[in-house]
Amino acid sequence: DGGITQSPKYLFRKEGQNVTLSCEQNLNHDAMYWYRQDPGQGLRLIYYSQIVNDFQKGDIAEGYSVSREKKESFPLTVTSAQKNPTAFYLCASSIGRIRGYTFGSGTRLTVV
Amino acid sequence: DAKTTQPNSMESNEEEPVHLPCNHSTISGTDYIHWYRQLPSQGPEYVIHGLTSNVNNRMASLAIAEDRKSSTLILHRATLRDAAVYYCILRDVESGGSNYKLTFGKGTLLTVNP
Repeated sequence: DGGITQSPKYLFRKEGQNVTLSCEQNLNHDAMYWYRQDPGQGLRLIYYSQIVNDFQKGDIAEGYSVSREKKESFPLTVTSAQKNPTAFYLCASSIGRIRGYTFGSGTRLTVV
Repeated sequence: DAKTTQPNSMESNEEEPVHLPCNHSTISGTDYIHWYRQLPSQGPEYVIHGLTSNVNNRMASLAIAEDRKSSTLILHRATLRDAAVYYCILRDVESGGSNYKLTFGKGTLLTVNP
């Protein structure tokens, strides 16, 4: 079955360490996205990519980096420059301008 | 981006219909209305979308006002599994590269009572 896989589901890291969250899709979708969600809040866009080797900053890109070397993959690195990295991270993909997004099941990152 | 306004929370009883409202008074002619829902500790799930006409699918119905300044997501018979946060979002399909983005607000928390 087609879908989006995020791994790992839970991730713990020490403060000051970089960490990379994985996102893979086999839906043949062109666009991919990373969102962050804090408790009781809506989703905020970190980065998005419409095609391979191209991506744009979202509303809260500071302290994060991404790459899009393959259509299927859009990894997110949370760097030590991100001041409050503990959050629920969601990856999504879409095709075309009208259809809805497909979301992964998320990665809950805790920095201690 | 055009904004939407939703109630913070709503309650319903199991097996009764639920009408979730959304106001979007600044909607443009090229904005599609999307609805998603999110269960606890899960990613959002696409529910339905529409432009001008009412839409039906296996999950829900979307009723769009004639002036498009408001819409209502209708769950015909609520079940306990429908308890979730429901997001109403506008997606502009004409504004160049940014048309791929969805902007999520806080949504409506739906509680379903047994």
